[in-house]
Amino acid sequence: GQQVMQIPQYQHVQEGEDFTTYCNSSTTLSNIQWYKQRPGGHPVFLIQLVKSGEVKKQKRLTFQFGEAKKNSSLHITATQTTDVGTYFCAAGANSKLTFGKGITLSVRP
Amino acid sequence: EPEVTQTPSHQVTQMGQEVILRCVPISNHLYFYWYRQILGQKVEFLVSFYNNEISEKSEIFDDQFSVERPDGSNFTLKIRSTKLEDSAMYFCASSTLRDNEQFFGPGTRLTVL
Repeated sequence: GQQVMQIPQYQHVQEGEDFTTYCNSSTTLSNIQWYKQRPGGHPVFLIQLVKSGEVKKQKRLTFQFGEAKKNSSLHITATQTTDVGTYFCAAGANSKLTFGKGITLSVRP
Repeated sequence: EPEVTQTPSHQVTQMGQEVILRCVPISNHLYFYWYRQILGQKVEFLVSFYNNEISEKSEIFDDQFSVERPDGSNFTLKIRSTKLEDSAMYFCASSTLRDNEQFFGPGTRLTVL
């Protein structure tokens, strides 16, 4: 089955710094979704990428799907304390999501 | 804004007992899912459900697990004989179409003693 890798699992940044994280697969993905989970909360959908090379922006968040559809990135510009949480990528196919291990972002004020 | 609801929020049970976790998906959604998340770990897919039957299930979803849509609104996950390793947060989710964004409920924390 599809697997997606997210490394590292933790990252600490100073408020105002930019943050980038990656999601990698050894196989071509039909689509990739990103979710955010706050501590004690549930996954909340952020974005879905379907097309090769696709770039989508949501305010300070920029998502990209690789040309080969094997990797994806999430970039946060000028992090804020409200950005803390765990960001998961998930490969979507055949009516299921396969989640990566996630990256937990902490932001020092 | 419509949301997925789950009950109970926390369930404590003895090993070997049966539990039923309940979910009410968003009303116009057609696909329903169960996931679990062991504390501090990733979210793991259990099963997807469409048109009153299972679409896909993972290796975790063995004979001890079953799902049902007993009426037009509820979607349940039953674990027949719970094991210690079933302790986890169980999330229900729903989506309008297959492979679309999924809306997750707040989860049920299952503790097996």
